[in-house]
Amino acid sequence: SQTIHQWPATLVQPVGSPLSLECTVEGTSNPNLYWYRQAAGRGLQLLFYSVGIGQISSEVPQNLSASRPQDRQFILSSKKLLLSDSGFYLCAWTVGGPIGELFFGEGSRLTVL
Amino acid sequence: EDKVVQSPLSLVVHEGDTVTLNCSYEVTNFRSLLWYKQEKKAPTFLFMLTSSGIEKKSGRLSSILDKKELFSILNITATQTGDSAVYLCAVEYAGGTSYGKLTFGQGTILTVHP
Repeated sequence: SQTIHQWPATLVQPVGSPLSLECTVEGTSNPNLYWYRQAAGRGLQLLFYSVGIGQISSEVPQNLSASRPQDRQFILSSKKLLLSDSGFYLCAWTVGGPIGELFFGEGSRLTVL
Repeated sequence: EDKVVQSPLSLVVHEGDTVTLNCSYEVTNFRSLLWYKQEKKAPTFLFMLTSSGIEKKSGRLSSILDKKELFSILNITATQTGDSAVYLCAVEYAGGTSYGKLTFGQGTILTVHP
């Protein structure tokens, strides 16, 4: 069966520090991968998606970047965090083609102080 | 700009009550509408709706889509405390060869008291 792992679960970082959130999927190959952010009291906002290794599409201009070095690994990064980067980050995957069920990781809660 | 609006934003009921959650959307190239339940961390899938007027049902939960009026409702009958969660509505839009791009509403926070 397929599983998705996301870490770290919780992170408190000072402004200006770097960030790396990792996500891996097991039990499937060539998934579409996504990074969403959920601000407090808000819905989910799509940040990045990837349909294959090295293929990254950005949905909104921001301080963050994403990379997909391996088929089932998706990384969210920043060189210098801003206060506004605080939020709940969710990695998700689905098989290619029209979306059915989008499978989410457990999320990473980032607080930038 | 694509938009998904949910109402109410929050709802407090007692066990046994029936609730109706609303989701309206303005999306170009609509493909499907999805409902998710988020209790603490990862949202979990409830329903995917693509056709108008066809009710999807799972236990005490049901949902229906109206593509003419651009909205969907999620009904929960005989609510239980375990139904307390944030309910998210999302719309998938079609575009080129990129699938799986969802626009989410802001969610409805449902609290069920014993």
